[in-house]
Amino acid sequence: QSALTQPPSASGSPGQSVTISCTGTSSDIGRYNFVSWYQQHPGKAPKLLIYVVTKRPSGVPARFSGSKSGNTASLTVSGLQAEDEADYYCNSYAGINNWVFGGGTKLTVL
Amino acid sequence: EELLVESGGDLVQPGGSLRLSCAASGFTFSNYAMHWVRQAPGKGLEWVAGISGSDGRTYYADSVKGRFTISRDNSKNTLFLQMNSLRAEDTAVHYCARGDAGAFDVWGPGTMVAVSS
Repeated sequence: QSALTQPPSASGSPGQSVTISCTGTSSDIGRYNFVSWYQQHPGKAPKLLIYVVTKRPSGVPARFSGSKSGNTASLTVSGLQAEDEADYYCNSYAGINNWVFGGGTKLTVL
Repeated sequence: EELLVESGGDLVQPGGSLRLSCAASGFTFSNYAMHWVRQAPGKGLEWVAGISGSDGRTYYADSVKGRFTISRDNSKNTLFLQMNSLRAEDTAVHYCARGDAGAFDVWGPGTMVAVSS
């Protein structure tokens, strides 16, 4: 199973919005709504931000939102804050009890 | 508070074996699928293996199939990963994670496995 494709980097200034894409295939993102996003700060464990494409767990700010169109999912961070600087990973169920991650995107707050 | 804590990581020679453990607390362990996810130094996340909550069905990534075995002891709220025939490319921080609604919603801090001679 190939990894999902994410841009290696993204950036934005405080207060701006940034969108990170995650491209898969008709066998994963295109077939299932089990798409999730994770934030990881250096040296820390990943943290769940978005699940089933658009839902936010309790405690995750509404500035984080998710969407999906065809084989591509997206994470939008609105009103960028300094603490949003981190690595972001997408994940999708890929069938036959298999899960696949994206390669990760390093978000820089300028 | 829902917590996961891994242990068992170590430096091991190629071809060697290691058993990782993950202690769970703060939730009904048997109600949830559990997974192992790893991250090689400076690299991205890789799903390794999963196990269902009740019937113990197991699932593996192709990269570890036949070498790793995931298991659980619901009476002790503990998840395991038996790692055999270890290779240099298995060097990574190994995280245990709870599965829910198709996502990994609770993570442990991770335990480091280093495979080197």
